[in-house]
Amino acid sequence: GNSVTQMEGPVTLSEEAFLTINCTYTATGYPSLFWYVQYPGEGLQLLLKATKADDKGSNKGFEATYRKETTSFHLEKGSVQVSDSAVYFCAGRSSNYKLTFGKGTLLTVNP
Amino acid sequence: GAGVSQSPSNKVTEKGKDVELRCDPISGHTALYWYRQSLGQGLEFLIYFQGNSAPDKSGLPSDRFSAERTGGSVSTLTIQRTQQEDSAVYLCASSLGQYQPQHFGDGTRLSIL
Repeated sequence: GNSVTQMEGPVTLSEEAFLTINCTYTATGYPSLFWYVQYPGEGLQLLLKATKADDKGSNKGFEATYRKETTSFHLEKGSVQVSDSAVYFCAGRSSNYKLTFGKGTLLTVNP
Repeated sequence: GAGVSQSPSNKVTEKGKDVELRCDPISGHTALYWYRQSLGQGLEFLIYFQGNSAPDKSGLPSDRFSAERTGGSVSTLTIQRTQQEDSAVYLCASSLGQYQPQHFGDGTRLSIL
């Protein structure tokens, strides 16, 4: 079946540091890929997405590029802020509607 | 605009009781999903509704779980004879169509004593 593997946390960074959270997806065909963010006490919010190979999703300074050859969708941000502290989930969707999620990565950014 | 609304936000109940969780999707969204978020299992798909089609119940963990969607809008997830392993955050999402991005509510945190 489909599966998503993302970097295990927790990840702790200082403000303005560079962030990478790795994500790879195993599925038949080429899925759409997503990053969701969950701030403390809140629900999941869609952060960015890519629907085909070489697409780059971007939002709020975050970027992720869909690499076809490795089905990877690593999340990056050049300079993190304290307000970026949250849990980040990578997710994929193949030919059906079900989202398959990674386990989540807790990011803490210290001032 | 209004997002996906879930109620209650928190629910504490005794083992063996029945619970009902409610989801109001975004207006105009035809697709509605329920997921469960628990410490041991991460985020799991439970059930999917699309318009008037038969729902996909393949993710429901046991026959104690059921869900309905009335009038193509509000959905209720019912858990009968609750067990401690049912403790989790239950998330509802909706989308314009089955291939559109899913928008999530804040969830209902269910605690079984």
